[in-house]
Amino acid sequence: DVKVTQSSRYLVKRTGEKVFLECVQDMDHENMFWYRQDPGLGLRLIYFSYDVKMKEKGDIPEGYSVSREKKERFSLILESASTNQTSMYLCASTRQQETQYFGPGTRLLVL
Amino acid sequence: AQSVTQPDIHITVSEGASLELRCNYSYGATPYLFWYVQSPGQGLQLLLKYFSGDTLVQGIKGFEAEFKRSQSSFNLRKPSVHWSDAAEYFCAVGAWLTGGGNKLTFGTGTQLKVEL
Repeated sequence: DVKVTQSSRYLVKRTGEKVFLECVQDMDHENMFWYRQDPGLGLRLIYFSYDVKMKEKGDIPEGYSVSREKKERFSLILESASTNQTSMYLCASTRQQETQYFGPGTRLLVL
Repeated sequence: AQSVTQPDIHITVSEGASLELRCNYSYGATPYLFWYVQSPGQGLQLLLKYFSGDTLVQGIKGFEAEFKRSQSSFNLRKPSVHWSDAAEYFCAVGAWLTGGGNKLTFGTGTQLKVEL
């Protein structure tokens, strides 16, 4: 069974803080993704990575960066958190040309 | 660029009634289509997918979807809804990436409520 885990289910941060969201998958998947989910907007792709140390911008990369130093781990970084980054963040992974599997999500509140 | 439209934001059905959730997509090539379900506070679970072949696709939990190229649609159906089907449903279209895997574009979701 594919398992995608995210480091926190709920997170509360202050404006201006640096925030790290971690995602780990245990199925040796090449591709990993970060989405944010907002009511009425569905899921929007922030960044993705198809190999270690490789990253590509998604549809809404502004205010975010990512890191993939190991194949199983993909980190999303908010360099200076802002209130408009309050959202649900979902990580996903996939092998080549297969289905994306999602983690349980991290609900981030920026005060 | 691909896009997905789910025209129904909320749908309410009675338990035991049939269900159809609508999904229309826009994509320049052969689409790869998915339906995911999200229960409250949970991540997304794949219900079914269409890559090629038979246009009627069977999924988990008794769901099916039909790909209609002429209508650019991929509607999700279930003949008899159970109270546990109450959740949010997302349709997505995938585009293959150069390095492998696919980039998904999601619709805005349909919230399903089931009346007992």
